[in-house]
Amino acid sequence: AQSVAQPEDQVNVAEGNPLTVKCTYSVSGNPYLFWYVQYPNRGLQFLLKYITGDNLVKGSYGFEAEFNKSQTSFHLKKPSALVSDSALYFCAVNNNDMRFGAGTRLTVKP
Amino acid sequence: DGGITQSPKYLFRKEGQNVTLSCEQNLNHDAMYWYRQDPGQGLRLIYYSQIVNDFQKGDIAEGYSVSREKKESFPLTVTSAQKNPTAFYLCASSPGQYPNYGYTFGSGTRLTVV
Repeated sequence: AQSVAQPEDQVNVAEGNPLTVKCTYSVSGNPYLFWYVQYPNRGLQFLLKYITGDNLVKGSYGFEAEFNKSQTSFHLKKPSALVSDSALYFCAVNNNDMRFGAGTRLTVKP
Repeated sequence: DGGITQSPKYLFRKEGQNVTLSCEQNLNHDAMYWYRQDPGQGLRLIYYSQIVNDFQKGDIAEGYSVSREKKESFPLTVTSAQKNPTAFYLCASSPGQYPNYGYTFGSGTRLTVV
């Protein structure tokens, strides 16, 4: 069985500070990992994915994620947070179908 | 522009009533999916279809039904057997079943029982 866990329901950061949204995964075989963002009453938007290769993946809107096989983690990061980054973030793992974490609400305060 | 269109955006259902949520895509994707989103629970898979005229149950299929008569369309019916249907429903598609593909999502339908 495959699954992801997002240990934090809520992350609060000040604008301009770095942000990290955590994700750990459990999967048999090669992990195909994704991050999505959701704004209120909207669908999910793709941010980035890890398939293979470089452990640091760069994505949309200045986000990046670091794949760590030994820690089975895929944390989302951004060097300098913006107020407009405030949203709900989902980590996901894809094998036969996409499995999502429970989501982490990111709030960036001015 | 290519994408997924879900309609209606808001839907109200009376007790004992069946309702159908529409999902249409013009991305030429083979696979389509329905998810239910509840606060604090993330997304749970209801049904998915990898090819026309075929679909599979997800984790929470009870009380729901689907059809896939056309590649572009994957409507979801919430039947009266679904006892707690109030939720946000998301439709998604992908080029195929390969795990390296990401999903494209519609904007969702918010269903409320009145």
